[in-house]
Amino acid sequence: NAGVMQNPRHLVRRRGQEARLRCSPMKGHSHVYWYRQLPEEGLKFMVYLQKENIIDESGMPKERFSAEFPKEGPSILRIQQVVRGDSAAYFCASSAAASGTNTGELFFGEGSRLTVL
Amino acid sequence: DAKTTQPTSMDCAEGRAANLPCNHSTISGNEYVYWYRQIHSQGPQYIIHGLKNNETNEMASLIITEDRKSSTLILPHATLRDTAVYYCIVRGGGDKIIFGKGTRLHILP
Repeated sequence: NAGVMQNPRHLVRRRGQEARLRCSPMKGHSHVYWYRQLPEEGLKFMVYLQKENIIDESGMPKERFSAEFPKEGPSILRIQQVVRGDSAAYFCASSAAASGTNTGELFFGEGSRLTVL
Repeated sequence: DAKTTQPTSMDCAEGRAANLPCNHSTISGNEYVYWYRQIHSQGPQYIIHGLKNNETNEMASLIITEDRKSSTLILPHATLRDTAVYYCIVRGGGDKIIFGKGTRLHILP
């Protein structure tokens, strides 16, 4: 059973370009979470999505950042007009729906590291 | 904000048990205690979780006090590969995870 797959693992962009990060959840998981980790800092929650719906985007910057999780295909985190401060590791996690004794623990991918020149 | 308090760092000798404490005095009745760790710059790794009973799996044991206001993660025989940042998290089932600063555990040879 493949884990959470993120690509690209490393992405270099110049200021003003767009960055697209993809996340394929574990098989059978319908919930996706995105986190950002700045260098030498902790993990910060960005957004929580279920198929075709944004459930919680309280951690998303108000501008330039967007996320989607379409019915078919991976979840996408999109950053428009990147700036140097966007340089970070972006981690995706997935979970199954919590029900009964399943508390929906999160399983993380290995991250996508964005460098903005 | 994270609802837990952990020491910033700890050392443990290789082969000994590592005991990582966590305070969560404001935990509510439907919230679980979760532990994750992050080795260097890898993705966080799930370790264990519990509600009120002690739990054990192949990685670790989780001891939760009777009043549920604190817990201890135990790595029974620490190895160098257990060097990581360990996060104690309280979470209602299905909620997002909010990470605090965690405990940086150094395993000493």
